[in-house]
Amino acid sequence: AQKITQTQPGMFVQEKEAVTLDCTYDTSDPSYGLFWYKQPSSGEMIFLIYQGSYDQQNATEGRYSLNFQKARKSANLVISASQLGDSAMYFCAMRAGNTGGFKTIFGAGTRLFVKA
Amino acid sequence: ETGVTQTPRHLVMGMTNKKSLKCEQHLGHNAMYWYKQSAKKPLELMFVYNFKEQTENNSVPSRFSPECPNSSHLFLHLHTLQPEDSALYLCASSQTRGLAGIYEQYFGPGTRLTVT
Repeated sequence: AQKITQTQPGMFVQEKEAVTLDCTYDTSDPSYGLFWYKQPSSGEMIFLIYQGSYDQQNATEGRYSLNFQKARKSANLVISASQLGDSAMYFCAMRAGNTGGFKTIFGAGTRLFVKA
Repeated sequence: ETGVTQTPRHLVMGMTNKKSLKCEQHLGHNAMYWYKQSAKKPLELMFVYNFKEQTENNSVPSRFSPECPNSSHLFLHLHTLQPEDSALYLCASSQTRGLAGIYEQYFGPGTRLTVT
């Protein structure tokens, strides 16, 4: 069975500091993709970053980087230099390439609070 | 600016009403999705359409009826809903890439539905 686990319901970070949001996953499919999405209070889910299971390097997109540890089945999101606008819900998600069809499963989310 | 629009943004309906949610994507994607987001629950996939054909129905009650007339438009027809159906309904679209077809999804702002 495929599963995404986010164990941090809420996180606080001081503005301009870095923060790591945890995500672990489980799948028996060797081909899969891992995603992080941001959901501000407005409700829209915003795609942040993608990591493929065969990618050799960790994905980076601006201030976002994905710490991909395949053997540990973890895909933590690192946000550098936090900004007040980073306050939002963050969801880790996974889609299995061979067996998942079009189904992407999401974790329960982590609410990030950035303090001024 | 998002390439996926949803209307209405807010909807209040009685249990005997019939209403429809509309989603339109301007990204040239070939897959469209309906998700339900309830308080304190992970995002739940409801339906997936790929090239106008339904590829996923995640055991959704028949009081929810999707319609996909073309790759750019997706509807969710609602009838005889229950109060527990109150939630944020998110539409998303995606393209496929590579042999595994793993892709990110782009979401609309959602429709906040309240069933009274």
